[in-house]
Formats: sequence, structure tokens, C-alpha cells
Amino acid sequence: GAVVSQHPSWVICKSGTSVKIECRSLDFQATTMFWYRQFPKQSLMLMATSNEGSKATYEQGVEKDKFLINHASLTLSTLTVTSAHPEDSSFYICSAPKGQGREVYEQYFGPGTRLTVT
Amino acid sequence: AQKITQTQPGMFVQEKEAVTLDCTYDTSDPSYGLFWYKQPSSGEMIFLIYQGSYDQQNATEGRYSLNFQKARKSANLVISASQLGDSAMYFCAMSLIGRALTFGSGTRLQVQP
Repeated sequence: GAVVSQHPSWVICKSGTSVKIECRSLDFQATTMFWYRQFPKQSLMLMATSNEGSKATYEQGVEKDKFLINHASLTLSTLTVTSAHPEDSSFYICSAPKGQGREVYEQYFGPGTRLTVT
Repeated sequence: AQKITQTQPGMFVQEKEAVTLDCTYDTSDPSYGLFWYKQPSSGEMIFLIYQGSYDQQNATEGRYSLNFQKARKSANLVISASQLGDSAMYFCAMSLIGRALTFGSGTRLQVQP
């Protein structure tokens, strides 16, 4: 299967600072990547769709100025949480589709990043 | 819009027995994919099984099988011969071509010795 990495795997930051999370497709090119957020004991909720070469598409209720997404290349998307607050503490996970036909349906997930804002 | 419903917040099963995790979905699109993922406490999403909307046969992957009933819009996961390592959160999900996954609320499965 395809491999998607995320860095860092966990991060603790102080309130008011910014944190950057990287999502890389290691063995395939991904023109699209998805960013999800998961609060404790809840499901994954889509935050935004990252598109290589164009602006990200954000889901309703997600602040685009707070969660900056940059799809710098066909293998890298970054999510920057700006001016982080304790309520931004969550598990952030990215995914990328690969391939054609049936494979287009499937998402390959990164291992996730656990963000704690103190 | 797509919607996934998992009505079992938690399930218990004895080791070596089979268990069925329920999932219903709703979409107006005729082409879609249905998935089950396992999420252990580490947080990683582990792909278990996939069913395409046009697939005629139910998908199987080792001890996992997907009971796909298109008319009822259900996609239940059956785990045979449960193992202690199967204890985890299980998510049913759906996607359209090139789109993000829509997840259900999840079912926490606990396998008892």
C-alpha cells in the first residue's frame, strides 16, 4: 500500500504560538490531500481539502485564517495552526487518494499529529 | 450530502467469536466507495476493507467481511474469530470519487478473554 507520513507525531506548544504540521506522500504523487481533526472520543471531521497549485477548500466553520494550508508540491501539504489556543488541542490527521479507477476512492492516511496547546 | 450512521457506541465480544458492527449510509450518488477502518489507541487509521457501490459480491479480507445490502443502504462489518488485538475503535466511512471520506461516529469494540 501507499505510504503517507506526518511530522511531528506530537507537539506541545504555548497558547498564542503557531505550529506547522507536514503531510508527505512518500511513494506516490498526490494532487489532493485532506486534513481531518479528531477530538477525544469523537469521529474524524474533515477540515479542508488541500490542492496542489491552488487554494485550499475549507469546510464550513473552519477558519481559513487560523488553519493555513499550503500544498507546496505533489508530495507535501502543510497545515499551520496560527495563534493556537487550548481549544485547538486535537488529533490532526491527513490523507491522500492515489491512483485511478477504484483506487481513487481509497484514502491513505498519515499516522496523525497530536497537538496540545497549553 | 453523504451521511454514515453507526448506532452501536460500544460492543463486547468473547475471544474467538464473531461480531457484526452495523453501518448504514445515505447518498444520492450512484458511484461510491464504502470503507471500514480500525483505530487503536495509538490513533493511526488502519484500512480493513473496501466495497464499491457496483461490486456484485461482498468484500472479504481475511477475518473481515463486509455485508453489503445496497437496497437497505447498509454495510455491516463482520469480524470472525475475534482476537484480543481486535479491541479498538471501528469507523465506517464513505467516499465519492476524489472526495474526502465521510465517517460515522464509530463503534468501540472490546474483545474479552
